[in-house]
Amino acid sequence: AQKVTQAQTEISVVEKEDVTLDCVYETRDTTYYLFWYKQPPSGELVFLIRRNSFDEQNEISGRYSWNFQKSTSSFNFTITASQVVDSAVYFCALSGPPSGTYKYIFGTGTRLKVLA
Amino acid sequence: DAGVTQSPTHLIKTRGQQVTLRCSPKSGHDTVSWYQQALGQGPQFIFQYYEEEERQRGNFPDRFSGHQFPNYSSELNVNALLLGDSALYLCASSFGASSGNTIYFGEGSWLTVV
Repeated sequence: AQKVTQAQTEISVVEKEDVTLDCVYETRDTTYYLFWYKQPPSGELVFLIRRNSFDEQNEISGRYSWNFQKSTSSFNFTITASQVVDSAVYFCALSGPPSGTYKYIFGTGTRLKVLA
Repeated sequence: DAGVTQSPTHLIKTRGQQVTLRCSPKSGHDTVSWYQQALGQGPQFIFQYYEEEERQRGNFPDRFSGHQFPNYSSELNVNALLLGDSALYLCASSFGASSGNTIYFGEGSWLTVV
């Protein structure tokens, strides 16, 4: 069965601090996809990144970076020099092989509060 | 470029009633998925529609049904509403039904059942 665990329920940091959001996943598939979404208070989930299981290169986009490690089944998300606008709930999600299940499995989310 | 749009934004229903939620996919997308997000939880997959057919269903009772129209828009219907159906209902769209395709979400419909 597929599962995504986000053990950190809520994190509070002061503006300009770096913060890492953890994501651990479980799957028996060899081909799978991992995602991060941001959910501000408005409710819409905003897509941040997609990574397939064969691409373990870390990725950086501005202040955001992602560390994918298959050996530990983790796909962690780091925000460098956090800003108040980063305050939101962040979700990690997993989907199966292209020929299999269509659904995304989401973690329970991590609420990030960035204090001015 | 229009994103995913959903209506209504908020609604309040009474137990036992029926509700219909609507979704227009992002421009160029042909696949629509529906998710239910209870307070403090992650979204849970309800079902996906592609080529006007339900392709897969999550662990939801038959009270939850849907439809996709030829223009790719979709409806989610919930019959015999229960208090536990109170949640944010999110519609997501993609191009193609593959699980590897990125799905893009709308702002959701907040349903309160009283």
